[in-house]
Amino acid sequence: DAGVTQSPTHLIKTRGQQVTLRCSPISGHKSVSWYQQVLGQGPQFIFQYYEKEERGRGNFPDRFSARQFPNYSSELNVNALLLGDSALYLCASSTTDDQPQHFGDGTRLSIL
Amino acid sequence: GESVGLHLPTLSVQEGDNSIINCAYSNSASDYFIWYKQESGKGPQFIIDIRSNMDKRQGQRVTVLLNKTVKHLSLQIAATQPGDSAVYFCAENRGSGGSNYKLTFGKGTLLTVNP
Repeated sequence: DAGVTQSPTHLIKTRGQQVTLRCSPISGHKSVSWYQQVLGQGPQFIFQYYEKEERGRGNFPDRFSARQFPNYSSELNVNALLLGDSALYLCASSTTDDQPQHFGDGTRLSIL
Repeated sequence: GESVGLHLPTLSVQEGDNSIINCAYSNSASDYFIWYKQESGKGPQFIIDIRSNMDKRQGQRVTVLLNKTVKHLSLQIAATQPGDSAVYFCAENRGSGGSNYKLTFGKGTLLTVNP
């Protein structure tokens, strides 16, 4: 079975631009969470969606937004990119809220 | 500051030895804990999880121990292999009513297995 898939794998943007990252959860998984991982640190929670509704939000500015589609795939959008947004963005999915999350390999975002 | 931390940032072991990776947490309301392995260039890979109503849980070659009294979590890997070399993260949720979607990760421990 396919795991969590994310696209693109790498992306280079400049300051002030906008970016959209995509995630397809494992088949049958209805919960999708997004995390930011800065080099040398553990992932930090950004958003969680379950059944197309936002269920949780981490300590990130309003420049970060997300949504989940009827097929449970998800997009993370970041506006007005800053140098500090350079990171690995990870998507994780689970069947329900009380099951382990399984991660994709992430999108490496570099801001110049 | 970090509520989930690790005692040792790096751990080097010989192939075949047992490895123990430790993790301290500070939030007594946390009721779900999980260990992930992250290899270079990849996302975190689920290893094993444990809920606060348990003290020990075993998987294939791995055991997680939870000591709620001292807020300590450990991951034991038996007969460590070179393929176990990676960064290991512990993570907790914070009593989200059984929901584990909002995980707080520690900084990670780099495990190096020498052949």
